[in-house]
Amino acid sequence: EVQLVESGGGLVQPGGSLRLSCATSGFTFSGYSMNWVRQAPGKGLEWLSYISSTRTTIYYADSVRGRFTISRDDAKNSLFLQMNSLRAEDTAIYYCVREGTSGWYFDYWGQGTLVTVSS
Amino acid sequence: DIQMTQSPSSLPASVGDRVTITCRASQNIYNYLNWYQQKPGQAPKFLLYSASTLQSGVPSTFSGSGSGTDFTLTISSLQPEDFATYYCQQSYSPPYTFGQGTKLEIK
Repeated sequence: EVQLVESGGGLVQPGGSLRLSCATSGFTFSGYSMNWVRQAPGKGLEWLSYISSTRTTIYYADSVRGRFTISRDDAKNSLFLQMNSLRAEDTAIYYCVREGTSGWYFDYWGQGTLVTVSS
Repeated sequence: DIQMTQSPSSLPASVGDRVTITCRASQNIYNYLNWYQQKPGQAPKFLLYSASTLQSGVPSTFSGSGSGTDFTLTISSLQPEDFATYYCQQSYSPPYTFGQGTKLEIK
């Protein structure tokens, strides 16, 4: 069974940093591209970042480029999101998402971790 | 960036109804269009990809169509478990933008 479990969320002050982790199991992590998607309270979905299975391709949304860094550790079957210079508008549930092999779609989602940026 | 616009934003319906949600892209995305379902307090669930291909395990009451800029998600006969928010997403080019969502509500 494919599982994605995020951790690392919490309350942080504006300007602060957090590192989100996503532990995966049930599939060959090294063979899949991965993404982060967030959802602000009561709002829609916002794609944030993509990392290819080989780490050779990385994309970011304009809203986080230069502040957030995506990375992966295939030996630990884990995905990460380093978030710096956090703002109130970064408050959201952050989802770790697997990209499917048959096309550019998101086939498995974690349950999410809540990040709250507030003083 | 490619903008995705869904309509309607809210759709009141009854069990057994046939409903259609529309998604429009701001430029040609060919068939790089996916659909997701989200229920309150849950992560989104993947429904369809490439505009019309149903993910394994998704009921055949769901179908998708379209190409280019105009797409639809149709539920042929609403079941109680189908009342949720639906999102389209383009995967043609990053940023992989989502539509704003369509909330399917009980009439």
